[in-house]
Amino acid sequence: GAVVSQHPSRVICKSGTSVKIECRSLDFQATTMFWYRQFPKQSLMLMATSNEGSKATYEQGVEKDKFLINHASLTLSTLTVTSAHPEDSSFYICSARDAIGANVLTFGAGSRLTVL
Amino acid sequence: QQQVKQSPQSLIVQKGGISIINCAYENTAFDYFPWYQQFPGKGPALLIAIRPDVSEKKEGRFTISFNKSAKQFSLHIMDSQPGDSATYFCAASRQGGKLIFGQGTELSVKP
Repeated sequence: GAVVSQHPSRVICKSGTSVKIECRSLDFQATTMFWYRQFPKQSLMLMATSNEGSKATYEQGVEKDKFLINHASLTLSTLTVTSAHPEDSSFYICSARDAIGANVLTFGAGSRLTVL
Repeated sequence: QQQVKQSPQSLIVQKGGISIINCAYENTAFDYFPWYQQFPGKGPALLIAIRPDVSEKKEGRFTISFNKSAKQFSLHIMDSQPGDSATYFCAASRQGGKLIFGQGTELSVKP
């Protein structure tokens, strides 16, 4: 079945630095990828939708200059948290859809970001 | 209109019992209703999904019941096992659209 790989699984950084998280579809081409954020014991909140070769669409309230998303190929999307602060500490999860209009989303294992 | 409301927030069931989690939605344009299972520190995994043209779908011990007129759907886990202890999320989307998640239910199955 479809597999989405996310890296790194855990990252600790100092306040003010930038962190990049990669999301790869391993055995399919992902026309659309989604980035979610999840706080402890809460639901997944959609941050943005990225389509290969075009700009990401951000959800209301998500700072696009802080959370940079790049979807340069059909198998790779990256999320860069710029000038990270402790309040950005969270569990970031990507997901991918393998065909235009398909409903099934495959999720990565998530990346735990801790900003000191 | 984009919300999906899920209940209960937490559920404790004895081994062998039936776990039931309920969800309700408002947007009648939704046409895809999946359930995801998430273990601590992991991403969600698709468990089972249904479309509104059927009222029930069963896969092993997991069954989705769907009531289109009431705009509600539920997950039933038969013969619940300790290994089923996880957080369950219902979700809904339109064809090819964004997946909107419910608030989650933390299930604990006691041996």
